[in-house]
Amino acid sequence: LAKTTQPISMDSYEGQEVNITCSHNNIATNDYITWYQQFPSQGPRFIIQGYKTKVTNEVASLFIPADRKSSTLSLPRVSLSDTAVYYCLVDNYGQNFVFGPGTRLSVLP
Amino acid sequence: DAGVTQSPTHLIKTRGQHVTLRCSPISGHKSVSWYQQVLGQGPQFIFQYYEKEERGRGNFPDRFSARQFPNYSSELNVNALLLGDSALYLCASSRDRDLSGNTIYFGEGSWLTVV
Repeated sequence: LAKTTQPISMDSYEGQEVNITCSHNNIATNDYITWYQQFPSQGPRFIIQGYKTKVTNEVASLFIPADRKSSTLSLPRVSLSDTAVYYCLVDNYGQNFVFGPGTRLSVLP
Repeated sequence: DAGVTQSPTHLIKTRGQHVTLRCSPISGHKSVSWYQQVLGQGPQFIFQYYEKEERGRGNFPDRFSARQFPNYSSELNVNALLLGDSALYLCASSRDRDLSGNTIYFGEGSWLTVV
């Protein structure tokens, strides 16, 4: 299973765009990249998933360069309610995810 | 459609006791996984079940066991509880097991406190 590296913490202000980059140098050909958001005392919530280039949904965008060794989660115009831990995961079948410590995002007023 | 549902949401047990946690997957999902999340850490994989068979196991002692029922719901059992078993236990479900790009969805978890 590919390991991931992401910043332990980030601070931002309301209304700003936040970009969280994740490194996954050993990603396999069939691996997908998935991001989850977790609030305290709640289960992780699926945000977005991609394989290559760019994926966008109603809450975020995911940018994946051609070599796929990294990915960037982009959160547009964050609010206080986006304060959470964000996990980057790589796996091909969504099985047995290996979670790291994630990135603790703090959005300040 | 209902998401992944888990019960109970909170429980307190004494060291040495046994606990059973329950999970109902999203309708149509056949795969269920269990994770343990200790405070301040990311979730750690315990088990994965698909079509009632164990298909994956993490690095947890034999005190941990699970099973999946014909309706795809699942139970996680922990025997001889230790203080270190205190954690949030998460259940996740996915539609298939071998579908590339499969997405798993988590429940809200069961908080277990061992005293």
